[in-house]
Amino acid sequence: DAGVTQSPTHLIKTRGQQVTLRCSPISGHKSVSWYQQVLGQGPQFIFQYYEKEERGRGNFPDRFSARQFPNYSSELNVNALLLGDSALYLCASSYTGLDEKLFFGSGTQLSVL
Amino acid sequence: GESVGLHLPTLSVQEGDNSIINCAYSNSASDYFIWYKQESGKGPQFIIDIRSNMDKRQGQRVTVLLNKTVKHLSLQIAATQPGDSAVYFCAENTQGAQKLVFGQGTRLTINP
Repeated sequence: DAGVTQSPTHLIKTRGQQVTLRCSPISGHKSVSWYQQVLGQGPQFIFQYYEKEERGRGNFPDRFSARQFPNYSSELNVNALLLGDSALYLCASSYTGLDEKLFFGSGTQLSVL
Repeated sequence: GESVGLHLPTLSVQEGDNSIINCAYSNSASDYFIWYKQESGKGPQFIIDIRSNMDKRQGQRVTVLLNKTVKHLSLQIAATQPGDSAVYFCAENTQGAQKLVFGQGTRLTINP
């Protein structure tokens, strides 16, 4: 069975550009969450979506946005990139997104130059 | 505020020995805890979870202990193998919350 898939695996952007990251959840999972992991730290919550609705948002600026599609896949958009946005962006899926374990993809490594 | 922390950033053990990784949490409302393993270049991989109505839960070669009195969580790995080398994160969740709160992680290295 396919796990959570993310694309691209690596991305290099320059300051001020925008980026779109993509995620496909495990089949049957209706919730997708996004996390940012800076080198040497644990993942930090960005967004959670369930049934195409935003259910939760972490402490990130409005430059970060996301959406979930009818097939439950998701995109994370980051505008006006800053050097500090360089990180591993992880997507996780689960059945409902509440009180259950999350299954993570391998992430997209974003480097902002 | 909410936070999940780890006592040690690194842990080195001999192959075949047991490993114990500790985690402290500060949110007394947390009621669901998960341990993840993250290898280089990969996303976090689920190891084991425990809910607050339990004190102990066992899996294959792993045991999680929860002490709600002192808000402490531990992961025990029996007969540590080279493949156990990774960074281990504890994460906590509060009922109804939409997010996991992760600690900084402990890097486990195995000496031959």
